[in-house]
Amino acid sequence: KAGVTQTPRYLIKTRGQQVTLSCSPISGHRSVSWYQQTPGQGLQFLFEYFSETQRNKGNFPGRFSGRQFSNSRSEMNVSTLELGDSALYLCASSSTGGGSYGYTFGSGTRLTVV
Amino acid sequence: AQSVTQLDSHVSVSEGTPVLLRCNYSSSYSPSLFWYVQHPNKGLQLLLKYTSAATLVKGINGFEAEFKKSETSFHLTKPSAHMSDAAEYFCVVSDGGYGGSQGNLIFGKGTKLSVKP
Repeated sequence: KAGVTQTPRYLIKTRGQQVTLSCSPISGHRSVSWYQQTPGQGLQFLFEYFSETQRNKGNFPGRFSGRQFSNSRSEMNVSTLELGDSALYLCASSSTGGGSYGYTFGSGTRLTVV
Repeated sequence: AQSVTQLDSHVSVSEGTPVLLRCNYSSSYSPSLFWYVQHPNKGLQLLLKYTSAATLVKGINGFEAEFKKSETSFHLTKPSAHMSDAAEYFCVVSDGGYGGSQGNLIFGKGTKLSVKP
């Protein structure tokens, strides 16, 4: 059974640009969550999608957005990139989301903003 | 609001000795708790999870954790450390409780485990 696949693995962008990251969840999983990991702030929740609907959102500016497609694949978009957006972005999938079921994480996309 | 506190940012042990990584949680209801491990330049791997069944939870690679409600703790242990255990470990509480509809995981700051030969 394939795991959670995130593409690309590494990305270098310039300040002011926008970026789109992709996440393919485990087959059959309908919940996809996104997290940002930085040395200073640790792991922080961005948002969760379930059956194409955003179900929960963390405390990030509106430059961070996402969507989920009918096949449960999800994309995350960051517009007007800032240096502070440099981070490891992790995607996690779950069959239902939340609670006791746990999450399976992808290997992440390392975004560097220069 | 839910939160987790990992009491040690760095733990160093010798190979073959026991491992103890400490975690305290705060939750307004019966929480779902997890331990995840992250090896360098890798994603997060689920070690074990507590979901209000048995208080002693066994995970992968010989790790286990005990849920103690009276102490609001969920410490991770392993009887004998191996070099391959060197990694960063995260204690996590779920925002949604059992079967909750919200997918918000709240992470501790992490504990880096070093294993000396």
